[in-house]
Amino acid sequence: SYELIQSPSVSVSPGQTASITCSGDTLGDKYVYWYQQKAGQSPVLVIYQDIKRPSGIPERFSGSNSGNTATLTISGTQAIDEADYYCQAWGSSTSIVFGGGTKLTVL
Amino acid sequence: EVQLMESGGGLVQPGGSLRLSCVASGFTFSHFEFNWVRQAPGKGLEWVAYISSSGNTIYYADSVKGRFTISRDIAKNSLYLQMNNLGADDTGVYYCARHQAFDYWGQGTRVTVSS
Repeated sequence: SYELIQSPSVSVSPGQTASITCSGDTLGDKYVYWYQQKAGQSPVLVIYQDIKRPSGIPERFSGSNSGNTATLTISGTQAIDEADYYCQAWGSSTSIVFGGGTKLTVL
Repeated sequence: EVQLMESGGGLVQPGGSLRLSCVASGFTFSHFEFNWVRQAPGKGLEWVAYISSSGNTIYYADSVKGRFTISRDIAKNSLYLQMNNLGADDTGVYYCARHQAFDYWGQGTRVTVSS
């Protein structure tokens, strides 16, 4: 079955750029979605179809997807961005897959 | 305002059944596809089931196939998840989420399978 691999944790200093990656076989051929989940809350969509930002999501969130890797980039990271981040894609025509999640710590 | 509100969770014994509901408001329910997603305690997100806007196309994760049934009632603006033969691995918070982009999520309902 299809798998999406994420690093368990990423640390970044306030104001710096955080990059969270998601790897999967020929992932660049699929649409990737990214979700932010803060402690005790429901997930929130932050990037859809690789690069698009939903209304209300700050411009510092951006996405890319090529080859086997999709990347969520947070520019000028703020303390409020500390959360778990999950990537998601259709693993096949009949199944949806989430990555294992990356815990972003803003030191 | 788009809202999704899950209910029906609770404590159930192994082998038991539960039916989860998700009531939608703030948009035209019949236009959208939906998913159920669960999250075991301290773990990541796991997709469970998908239903198309018409209800004619349904997919399940292998871990629940044959035990769970997703359905929808347009008249009640509601999504359901019938869960049978529950095991400890089914414990977690269950979310309903709209669209293949999962653009809106409910607050979740907690399911605990334990004797």
